[in-house]
Amino acid sequence: EAAVTQSPRSKVAVTGGKVTLSCHQTNNHDYMYWYRQDTGHGLRLIHYSYVADSTEKGDIPDGYKASRPSQENFSLILELASLSQTAVYFCASSSGTGGTNTEVFFGKGTRLTVV
Amino acid sequence: GDSVTQTEGLVTLTEGLPVMLNCTYQTIYSNPFLFWYVQHLNESPRLLLKSFTDNKRTEHQGFHATLHKSSSSFHLQKSSAQLSDSALYYCALSDRTQVVGQLTFGRGTRLQVYA
Repeated sequence: EAAVTQSPRSKVAVTGGKVTLSCHQTNNHDYMYWYRQDTGHGLRLIHYSYVADSTEKGDIPDGYKASRPSQENFSLILELASLSQTAVYFCASSSGTGGTNTEVFFGKGTRLTVV
Repeated sequence: GDSVTQTEGLVTLTEGLPVMLNCTYQTIYSNPFLFWYVQHLNESPRLLLKSFTDNKRTEHQGFHATLHKSSSSFHLQKSSAQLSDSALYYCALSDRTQVVGQLTFGRGTRLQVYA
């Protein structure tokens, strides 16, 4: 089965501090994604990437940066963490083909608390 | 932009009763892909069902759903609820066949099944 590994699994950060969430996939997938999960909002796409050294904005990119140094690794960076960024963050990956092969594989999530 | 509506935040059922979780969507794309993801407690979301074909029933693990483009709906059903079905269920939409993970999620419906 596809494997997406996130680190750390939980983190407490100080307001105004820098936070980096890491994600590693062994699926040989081209696409990687960062979603945040909030109660009442479901999952919302922050950034995604379809090739190394390139990232794209998702639906809620403000306050976040992303980095894709290799096909396997995708990081989410909060330069100045704010209280409103307290959430659970999920990394995911998928193949580059669409249609009936559509499936996204999620990691186990990182619970971020900003204080 | 796209949107997905799940009207129930919480559904509580007694084991053995039928399950129906509602999902409607809005998109300008004429050929949307619809998905149901399930997330058990402290786990990552995983794909339960997907559909691309109008008026065709899709089934998996005892659950089924039919995409109805005429009513923009993709309701999730099961004939008899089990305790193990207790989880958070997300309906999701994709209108981008090449970026399969660029999903728009509903807010989620928590299903709680009691003995």
